[in-house]
Amino acid sequence: NAGVMQNPRHLVRRRGQEARLRCSPMKGHSHVYWYRQLPEEGLKFMVYLQKENIIDESGMPKERFSAEFPKEGPSILRIQQVVRGDSAAYFCASSPIEGGTYNEQFFGPGTRLTVL
Amino acid sequence: LAKTTQPISMDSYEGQEVNITCSHNNIATNDYITWYQQFPSQGPRFIIQGYKTKVTNEVASLFIPADRKSSTLSLPRVSLSDTAVYYCLVGPVNSGYSTLTFGKGTMLLVSP
Repeated sequence: NAGVMQNPRHLVRRRGQEARLRCSPMKGHSHVYWYRQLPEEGLKFMVYLQKENIIDESGMPKERFSAEFPKEGPSILRIQQVVRGDSAAYFCASSPIEGGTYNEQFFGPGTRLTVL
Repeated sequence: LAKTTQPISMDSYEGQEVNITCSHNNIATNDYITWYQQFPSQGPRFIIQGYKTKVTNEVASLFIPADRKSSTLSLPRVSLSDTAVYYCLVGPVNSGYSTLTFGKGTMLLVSP
């Protein structure tokens, strides 16, 4: 059973370009979460999605950032007109439809975005 | 969410037992305590979770005193591969979802 997959692992963009980060959750998981980790900081929640629905986007910047989790295919985190401050590691996590007693989230390896 | 406080860093040697303490004075009645581990250039990994007393699994033990205002993650006989950042998280656990709130964690460095 493959774990959470993210691609690309490393992404370099120039200021003003668009960045697209992809996340495939673990098989059988329908809950996807995106987190951002700035250098030497803890992870910060950005958005929580289920298939075709955004459930909680309270951690998303108001502009330039969007996320989707279509019926088919991976979840996409999209950053338009990137700026240097967007340089960070972006992690995706997933959890099963029924978290049970423990809300364990399974994290992917992350995408490291560098904005030049 | 209850705020957590843990040491910024700890040093240890191979074979020693390491105890990382986390303070959470404002823990709520329905809050659980969860620890995650993050290796360099990887995403965090769930280690252990508990509500009170003691929890043990194949990786670690978690000790929680009766007042639940603190907790201690215990790693027996650490090896070099245990070098990582360890995060203490406190929050409610529901059937459904919860967003995880990470602090800066404790950087554990294990030396030969």
